[in-house]
Amino acid sequence: GAVVSQHPSWVICKSGTSVKIECRSLDFQATTMFWYRQFPKQSLMLMATSNEGSKATYEQGVEKDKFLINHASLTLSTLTVTSAHPEDSSFYICSAWGSGTEVYGYTFGSGTRLTVV
Amino acid sequence: EDKVVQSPLSLVVHEGDTVTLNCSYEVTNFRSLLWYKQEKKAPTFLFMLTSSGIEKKSGRLSSILDKKELFSILNITATQTGDSAVYLCAVHGAAGNKLTFGGGTRVLVKP
Repeated sequence: GAVVSQHPSWVICKSGTSVKIECRSLDFQATTMFWYRQFPKQSLMLMATSNEGSKATYEQGVEKDKFLINHASLTLSTLTVTSAHPEDSSFYICSAWGSGTEVYGYTFGSGTRLTVV
Repeated sequence: EDKVVQSPLSLVVHEGDTVTLNCSYEVTNFRSLLWYKQEKKAPTFLFMLTSSGIEKKSGRLSSILDKKELFSILNITATQTGDSAVYLCAVHGAAGNKLTFGGGTRVLVKP
């Protein structure tokens, strides 16, 4: 149980375009979704926390207009990287917290590797 | 601000060796400490620790928490090449259910 599906696994986009990453909880209700960013050989850095039906809370230094997060339902959250630039290239991972996940300790999606060219 | 520090940054061992990874933390209203293994993709869950002194074990991996001294260790015995990965420690603190991650320990097990 407690599976989170993240798509796409990898994406290459042109500079200036927008990219949407989806995270779905398959067998539980994700009341809270976390979005992380990870640069090579570095740890996970929390970007934002989203609770279903309310605005996301962004960590200091993360531009909310650039990284749009939507958590409209208990099973789906999306992260849209708007007007992407090469410096946005990174590994993005979502993690969900909800009823039934406590035993598993926050379930992670499989990650999305974004390359902006 | 919650803080998690892992040591060592990296280590190289040979198959069969035992490794001990350290995680120390400062957190407001501690709720739990979690260990993850990360290979090429997203982290996979290993352990969640909430109580001091109770060892959690899964095969060759074990972990224990000391809430008085604010640290945890992860042990891997009889290491195998498949144990090569980055091991992440994270703490669940006060606000909003969010996790604070340490920088990770990169383990390389040579044949």
